Amino acid sequence: DIQMTQSPSSLSASVGDRVTITCRASQSINSDLNWYQQKPGKAPKLLIYVASSLQSGVPSRFSGSESGTDFTLTISSLQPEDFTTYYCQQSYTTPPTFGQGTKVEIK
Amino acid sequence: EVQLLESGGGLVQPGGSLRLSCAASGFTISSYAMSWVRQAPGKGLEWVSAISYSGDDTYYADSVKGRFTISRDNSRNTLYLQMSSLRAEDTAVFYCAKSIGGAWYHFDYWGQGALVTVSS
Repeated sequence: DIQMTQSPSSLSASVGDRVTITCRASQSINSDLNWYQQKPGKAPKLLIYVASSLQSGVPSRFSGSESGTDFTLTISSLQPEDFTTYYCQQSYTTPPTFGQGTKVEIK
Repeated sequence: EVQLLESGGGLVQPGGSLRLSCAASGFTISSYAMSWVRQAPGKGLEWVSAISYSGDDTYYADSVKGRFTISRDNSRNTLYLQMSSLRAEDTAVFYCAKSIGGAWYHFDYWGQGALVTVSS
């Protein structure tokens, strides 16, 4: 199985900060990397697919990029509703696998 | 509006069985691959199983292979997960998820989740 290593596992930031979360794949996955946001007690929500495509309806402050097997989710200006947990997921092969999650907390 | 509504969760004893349903509306499930993804309490996301748009192809995580069966009833626009030989470690919220057209594992819509608790 492809291992997805997400970092950091948590971070503290303030409203308006620029935040980056990184996900590293254990092998090449082309650009088959998706990012989800999950709020407590709710289902995950797709933010970014195939590394850098913004899902419809998602604010443009969210963006994704890639460099080899390293992928990055960037929130350009953190808003109050963004303080929650984020997951990466590879969709390159079966089984699809998720990172362990990054919790973004208020500083 | 696309909606997915899971049902069938509950408390079951170890070794027991349970069937989850996921009723879809706003789209036709026969046009998309569908998956089940679970999340144990306080833990991360784990993919469980997937079925192709045609229903001809199914895939399972090693942790559930031989115990769980995914199926779909296109006439009812509903996805199912039949779970047997349940273990304590299967305790989780189970989500059904729709894939973006033409893809297997880009999950653009999720249900609200069904809690399955395996305990004596």
